[in-house]
Amino acid sequence: DAGVIQSPRHEVTEMGQEVTLRCKPISGHDYLFWYRQTMMRGLELLIYFNNNVPIDDSGMPEDRFSAKMPNASFSTLKIQPSEPRDSAVYFCASSPMRGPQNTEAFFGQGTRLTVV
Amino acid sequence: TQLLEQSPQFLSIQEGENLTVYCNSSSVFSSLQWYRQEPGEGPVLLVTVVTGGEVKKLKRLTFQFGDARKDSSLHITAAQPGDTGLYLCAGVGTSYGKLTFGQGTILTVHP
Repeated sequence: DAGVIQSPRHEVTEMGQEVTLRCKPISGHDYLFWYRQTMMRGLELLIYFNNNVPIDDSGMPEDRFSAKMPNASFSTLKIQPSEPRDSAVYFCASSPMRGPQNTEAFFGQGTRLTVV
Repeated sequence: TQLLEQSPQFLSIQEGENLTVYCNSSSVFSSLQWYRQEPGEGPVLLVTVVTGGEVKKLKRLTFQFGDARKDSSLHITAAQPGDTGLYLCAGVGTSYGKLTFGQGTILTVHP
């Protein structure tokens, strides 16, 4: 397996534009997580899915953020409209989460988003 | 909300020194993990601890899970420049597999 695949790796956009980040999890993993990482706030959990169903979206900062998982092999995180304070590295991770010893999260390489 | 507090946030030491990073919470976790992250990459798992009081060793790294499963520590013996990086603790919630991270500790080991 190629691991978790995120696209794009880098995104520069103007304030007010819509941004869509994409993620392909590892096949067979039931859980998918979206995180945002900044120096100030560290690695924040935005939302996570279990079997394509959103379980907890309490970390989504505002209504401008939305996430979907239409099937087991694809998820999107959308920001509309984007603002400069959304600039961060966004990570997608997947995990089997089967039993206490099988909870490793595998991360993609992240999308570095810059909103100008 | 299950919060994990990591300390210290920054650690700058000389090669050969020992160090300990702490991860504390008021919540109980079903397991606790430690990750290491290099610049431009996602975090990579070092270890998972599951049982209260558990101690795991990975070469010069020693990980401990508190008896009450609320806190953990990472101890590095004789640090080397190759240990430089961001160390993150993460707790798996007691239901539905919620994975929450601490703020991280940026470790710099000078030759």
